Amino acid sequence: AQSVTQLDSQVPVFEEAPVELRCNYSSSVSVYLFWYVQYPNQGLQLLLKYLSGSTLVESINGFEAEFNKSQTSFHLRKPSVHISDTAEYFCAVSDRGTGNQFYFGTGTSLTVIP
Amino acid sequence: NAGVTQTPKFQVLKTGQSMTLQCAQDMNHEYMSWYRQDPGMGLRLIHYSVGAGITDQGEVPNGYNVSRSTTEDFPLRLLSAAPSQTSVYFCASHHSGGVITEAFFGQGTRLTVV
Repeated sequence: AQSVTQLDSQVPVFEEAPVELRCNYSSSVSVYLFWYVQYPNQGLQLLLKYLSGSTLVESINGFEAEFNKSQTSFHLRKPSVHISDTAEYFCAVSDRGTGNQFYFGTGTSLTVIP
Repeated sequence: NAGVTQTPKFQVLKTGQSMTLQCAQDMNHEYMSWYRQDPGMGLRLIHYSVGAGITDQGEVPNGYNVSRSTTEDFPLRLLSAAPSQTSVYFCASHHSGGVITEAFFGQGTRLTVV
């Protein structure tokens, strides 16, 4: 089974500063990678995904993540954060070998400070 | 499309009571899952199903039952509620096998057991 590690449980950052949220997973064989965002008292929404092709994927609101197979990582970055980015972020791996079962990290709480 | 619909959104139970959390999806997804979310612990898989008539246990199945009589519905039953089951519950669905998609989540059920 896969394991997904989000090393940082809480990340405070000042508005307009860059941020990186780290994600590592245990095996890179036949996996697909996702970042989800959860705003307070809401469900999880897909932020971006890597299925195949270019290893750099982007979201519509300025986030990007890069699939690094050798380091088994899928870190999330944004060059300039906004107050509205304050939320919980979950990294997830879908393992083709187990019928696309999803495995989630424990989440990173991003707080943007004015 | 309605996506994944969960009911109710909020529920308060007394210890020992039973209840069913409802989940329905209209995307013809084979794979459906139930998670619970607790502070600092991320999403933990309770039960999942890879198709009608097929269910299996996840990481934290004790105290919960599921069934999958149709592709669309995947109810979660609490047999005898305990305070330790106070949590936010999410239902999710996605394709399995050859079709790769992200997991789609419901808006969650916030359950309090007193």
